[in-house]
Amino acid sequence: EAQVTQNPRYLITVTGKKLTVTCSQNMNHEYMSWYRQDPGLGLRQIYYSMNVEVTDKGDVPEGYKVSRKEKRNFPLILESPSPNQTSLYFCASSLVYPTDTQYFGPGTRLTVL
Amino acid sequence: AQSVAQPEDQVNVAEGNPLTVKCTYSVSGNPYLFWYVQYPNRGLQFLLKYITGDNLVKGSYGFEAEFNKSQTSFHLKKPSALVSDSALYFCAVRDRSFQKLVFGTGTRLLVSP
Repeated sequence: EAQVTQNPRYLITVTGKKLTVTCSQNMNHEYMSWYRQDPGLGLRQIYYSMNVEVTDKGDVPEGYKVSRKEKRNFPLILESPSPNQTSLYFCASSLVYPTDTQYFGPGTRLTVL
Repeated sequence: AQSVAQPEDQVNVAEGNPLTVKCTYSVSGNPYLFWYVQYPNRGLQFLLKYITGDNLVKGSYGFEAEFNKSQTSFHLKKPSALVSDSALYFCAVRDRSFQKLVFGTGTRLLVSP
């Protein structure tokens, strides 16, 4: 089944404790992206990757890192999480461009205490 | 900057009635416009997109959207609403960089039996 998977689905952590949210797609997509969803603010892009060689900041990259060592994986790293990073996070992928149909993962609900 | 506005936080409609979810856009150049839907506890799913051609775009689950250049609008419509259409709907536009989408704040649709 073609899909985007994220792990973990739910995470409660404390301020300053490094964490990684994994994202993997099995559709051989070039484009991958991370979003955060907050009430009243909609979906905001954190980072995106056009391919394994190109990764760039989205609209809200502060406090986040990503890597794209292989095409299928695009982990999101929070080196020192803070309470304002409490949010619902989505990974998405599309064939080549962001204007191609984007396929979203099920989401990761993160709470930082 | 490219942007979309969804003026209604929530739309209520009775099952069987037509529904409209509004979206207006602000872009330079030709707009690439999208609608995505988020069902409870799920990631977003693609509904439809407008790039060029016919102003009336048909999408998944019986939804359609009308591109109106003079009113800079891209409203989502369905002739007869179902209770199962209850979800969060996002309008999006391609960014000028061609490397990402910019999403609106979302409109919650509630269809009552």
